[in-house]
Amino acid sequence: KAGVTQTPRYLIKTRGQQVTLSCSPISGHRSVSWYQQTPGQGLQFLFEYFSETQRNKGNFPGRFSGRQFSNSRSEMNVSTLELGDSALYLCASRQGSGNTEAFFGQGTRLTVV
Amino acid sequence: AQSVTQPDIHITVSEGASLELRCNYSYGATPYLFWYVQSPGQGLQLLLKYFSGDTLVQGIKGFEAEFKRSQSSFNLRKPSVHWSDAAEYFCAVCDSGAGSYQLTFGKGTKLSVIP
Repeated sequence: KAGVTQTPRYLIKTRGQQVTLSCSPISGHRSVSWYQQTPGQGLQFLFEYFSETQRNKGNFPGRFSGRQFSNSRSEMNVSTLELGDSALYLCASRQGSGNTEAFFGQGTRLTVV
Repeated sequence: AQSVTQPDIHITVSEGASLELRCNYSYGATPYLFWYVQSPGQGLQLLLKYFSGDTLVQGIKGFEAEFKRSQSSFNLRKPSVHWSDAAEYFCAVCDSGAGSYQLTFGKGTKLSVIP
């Protein structure tokens, strides 16, 4: 069974631009969560999607948004990029019901210059 | 709100020595607890999990962890460390309230292994 796939692996953007990151969960998993990892703040929860609905959102500005498609694939978008958005963005996949664990992808390394 | 504390930022051990990484959590209900490992530039790999039942849980790569409710701890152990265990380790607690699923992570413990 294939794991969680995130694309692209690396991205360089300029301040003010927007970016879209993609995540394909493990087959059969219906829950996708996104996390931001930075040296200063560590791992922080962005949002969770389940069956195309956002179930929860972390404490991030409205520039951060996401969506989930009917095949459970998810995208997150960051508009008007700031230097502080440079981070490793991790996607986690989970079956979505019951006591189950989350499996993470390799992440997308975003650098804003 | 839940929180996780990993008191040790960096630990260095010799290959073959035993290892214990500390984790303390703050959570009102029965916690779901996890340990993840991350190699440089990579994603997180799940080592083990605790949902309920036996308080000593076994994971991959020879790791185990013990849930102690009285101490709000979930320490990770390995009897004999290998050089390939050098990585960063994260303890996490899950908040599954209101039908959502959100992991709160500690700041991580970086493990260095001396040959």
